[in-house]
Amino acid sequence: QQQVRQSPQSLTVWEGETAILNCSYEDSTFDYFPWYHQFPGESPALLIAIRPVSNKKEDGRFTIFFNKREKKFSLHIADSQPGDSATYFCAASAQGTGSKLSFGKGAKLTVSP
Amino acid sequence: GPKVLQIPSHQIIDMGQMVTLNCDPVSNHLYFYWYKQILGQQMEFLVNFYNGKVMEKSKLFKDQFSVERPDGSYFTLKIQPTALEDSAVYFCASRLGVNQDTQYFGPGTRLLVL
Repeated sequence: QQQVRQSPQSLTVWEGETAILNCSYEDSTFDYFPWYHQFPGESPALLIAIRPVSNKKEDGRFTIFFNKREKKFSLHIADSQPGDSATYFCAASAQGTGSKLSFGKGAKLTVSP
Repeated sequence: GPKVLQIPSHQIIDMGQMVTLNCDPVSNHLYFYWYKQILGQQMEFLVNFYNGKVMEKSKLFKDQFSVERPDGSYFTLKIQPTALEDSAVYFCASRLGVNQDTQYFGPGTRLLVL
């Protein structure tokens, strides 16, 4: 059973547009929701994360929107740049589980100049 | 940012052989993880390790798998014997402590079992 679902699997946007990546989850005990990005040949790196005490988290051009009732969260990348082209993974974990992460399948984002 | 290193980056072995994947976690981190990613699928949790012990393992962590971190050295994942279905990318991650959520990942070891 897939704990975290991610869509779309790939997305192409023009430079300057907002890219939106979506995730949903099943487990109500999840209380930490990070987004990682990964460039080819490199490690997945934490981009931004949220805890359900808030429904929005911003860091520069990157914003997470969180909807606890619907068990959904999304990553918005404003003013997308070609350098944002990468694979983006959403994930979730729960306290008391050693913080093991359940990942989505990933979304390949391409930003065209 | 903090770096996690993994050695080797690629490994090709014959089915039935033993393989050891090595992870050099961030130096003061206390929690260590292995994840497995089969091509086209999501990363899946294998095992986490703290204070010299396995804390939790998933159903993917077969009896043929073992982990250890001898004092101050690599955090290792050993598979003995390997099977065809062990072919995947294995990611190591480490985390500082209880109140620190961020897991830092290595670049992965691409394992191909023939």
